[in-house]
Amino acid sequence: AQSVTQLDSHVSVSEGTPVLLRCNYSSSYSPSLFWYVQHPNKGLQLLLKYTSAATLVKGINGFEAEFKKSETSFHLTKPSAHMSDAAEYFCVVSRNNNDMRFGAGTRLTVKP
Amino acid sequence: NAGVTQTPKFRILKIGQSMTLQCTQDMNHNYMYWYRQDPGMGLKLIYYSVGAGITDKGEVPNGYNVSRSTTEDFPLRLELAAPSQTSVYFCASSYHGSNTGELFFGEGSRLTVL
Repeated sequence: AQSVTQLDSHVSVSEGTPVLLRCNYSSSYSPSLFWYVQHPNKGLQLLLKYTSAATLVKGINGFEAEFKKSETSFHLTKPSAHMSDAAEYFCVVSRNNNDMRFGAGTRLTVKP
Repeated sequence: NAGVTQTPKFRILKIGQSMTLQCTQDMNHNYMYWYRQDPGMGLKLIYYSVGAGITDKGEVPNGYNVSRSTTEDFPLRLELAAPSQTSVYFCASSYHGSNTGELFFGEGSRLTVL
């Protein structure tokens, strides 16, 4: 079985400060890991993905995530938050094409 | 670029009614998926399809049916609607499949069953 746990349901940062959204995963196999973002009343959009290549993955809009097998973590970071980053973020683990498991989501608020 | 289009965006049903959520994609993707999203929870897979004529159950298929007669269309049928089916439904498609490829999502269909 595989699952993901997003450790924070809500994160609030000030504009221009770093963002850290935490995700731990559980998987019996070498997983594929993803971060998706959902803006209000919109569908989800892929931020970045890890599929067993480089452990540091760069995504769109300045986000990146590091795969740490020893810690079973895949935390999402961004050096400097922008107001447009305010959204819901989902960590996802996948073993095959019909077994994607979504975390419960982390709502990111960015204060001016 | 239309991408993945879902209709309707909003619908209110009475208990026991039936309806179909429509989903169409114009990217010639073989893989298509239906998810539901409940408050405070991640998305859960209802049904998926790996190509025209092929469908299979996901994590939460009870109370739903799907068909895939063409590559473009993947409608989701709700029979005998129940309050537990109140949710936001997302259709998604992928060229390589969700394990390695990007999922492209529609904007969602918000369904309320009263």
